[in-house]
Amino acid sequence: QKEVEQNSGPLSVPEGAIASLNCTYSDRGSQSFFWYRQYSGKSPELIMFIYSNGDKEDGRFTAQLNKASQYVSLLIRDSQPSDSATYLCAVNEDSWGKFQFGAGTQVVVTP
Amino acid sequence: ETGVTQTPRHLVMGMTNKKSLKCEQHLGHNAMYWYKQSAKKPLELMFVYNFKEQTENNSVPSRFSPECPNSSHLFLHLHTLQPEDSALYLCASSQNTGELFFGEGSRLTVL
Repeated sequence: QKEVEQNSGPLSVPEGAIASLNCTYSDRGSQSFFWYRQYSGKSPELIMFIYSNGDKEDGRFTAQLNKASQYVSLLIRDSQPSDSATYLCAVNEDSWGKFQFGAGTQVVVTP
Repeated sequence: ETGVTQTPRHLVMGMTNKKSLKCEQHLGHNAMYWYKQSAKKPLELMFVYNFKEQTENNSVPSRFSPECPNSSHLFLHLHTLQPEDSALYLCASSQNTGELFFGEGSRLTVL
């Protein structure tokens, strides 16, 4: 059974601080990795994707991938109340429809 | 028209009813998906269509019946559902094995 694990949270983060979200996956054949944000009552929207080991930065977001450790993380710098949402980690082995999702980490940014 | 649209947004049905969920994508993608999202659980992949051909059926009960008449439209026909089928049903599309673009979802309640 291929699995993607995330801490469910809630992760409480003071405004302006860094939020650190972690995700581990079991399938070593996984090739691409995605972070989605889902506001309450809304559908998931893509924040970032990463394919290669190392860091990838996009604005206040940084994704980190370590395939040897089967670990992907998301850092949110200068957290804002609008970042309060559930963050879903998704892993794809590059086959049609083979996205595996974690259950999500709820982030709460407190003013 | 926005990328992926789903109708209806909310649906309440009895266990003996027959209803359908509709999804339309305006992104020119070649793959479409149905996912089920229940509270505190990972997104569950139900069906995948690639160029109108079903390529994935994740052991979904036969009371859920998908239909993909062309690469832009996807339906989920529902009949004799159970209360535990109450969930958010998300349609998504992608181009090849790229990231998923989700619709706003159809919130289903089975009485």
